[in-house]
Amino acid sequence: DQQVKQNSPSLSVQEGRISILNCDYTNSMFDYFLWYKKYPAEGPTFLISISSIKDKNEDGRFTVFLNKSAKHLSLHIVPSQPGDSAVYVCAATRIIQGAQKLVFGQGTRLTINP
Amino acid sequence: NAGVTQTPKFRILKIGQSMTLQCTQDMNHNYMYWYRQDPGMGLKLIYYSVGAGITDKGEVPNGYNVSRSTTEDFPLRLELAAPSQTSVYFCATSQTGSRGYTFGSGTRLTVV
Repeated sequence: DQQVKQNSPSLSVQEGRISILNCDYTNSMFDYFLWYKKYPAEGPTFLISISSIKDKNEDGRFTVFLNKSAKHLSLHIVPSQPGDSAVYVCAATRIIQGAQKLVFGQGTRLTINP
Repeated sequence: NAGVTQTPKFRILKIGQSMTLQCTQDMNHNYMYWYRQDPGMGLKLIYYSVGAGITDKGEVPNGYNVSRSTTEDFPLRLELAAPSQTSVYFCATSQTGSRGYTFGSGTRLTVV
């Protein structure tokens, strides 16, 4: 049962344009959503997050949008830069038995072309 | 600042062998987690710990064991390695009240 899904395994965007990465979830009990960035042979690193009580959070070139009615979130990167090429992993969290549990999507490989 | 350190980075095991994946953190985080990631899949939680002496099962605990005798260390033990355990294993930590995890760089394990 894949509670967090990233349906696009890969995305290719031209440098300077907007990159939009999408994520869908099924469990309405998730209360926080996060995006991680992952390079090969490294662990994921935290990028940006959003609480379920908000619909937008912005940090520099990165903006995350949350649509609770559609159970959908997206990460926008504007403008895209070559250093943004990586795998982006969506995650959702909720507190279970006193501990927060993260559920991860499969990841989307973003390639920024010069 | 080391953060979360995992050893080894790579390992090849024969079926039936055992090994321990090491995870050490120097951030004094309470929570520690072990995840595995199979190709094309999201990370799946194996075991987690909310503090020294306390561990609990995640989604996919079968074939693994953990212990948490100190805040810093959270080793993952494979007793009888099977090909289905071929995966990349990540250790992660978080602090009470924090939503973000800090990950180690992973251990790539192949069972043949």
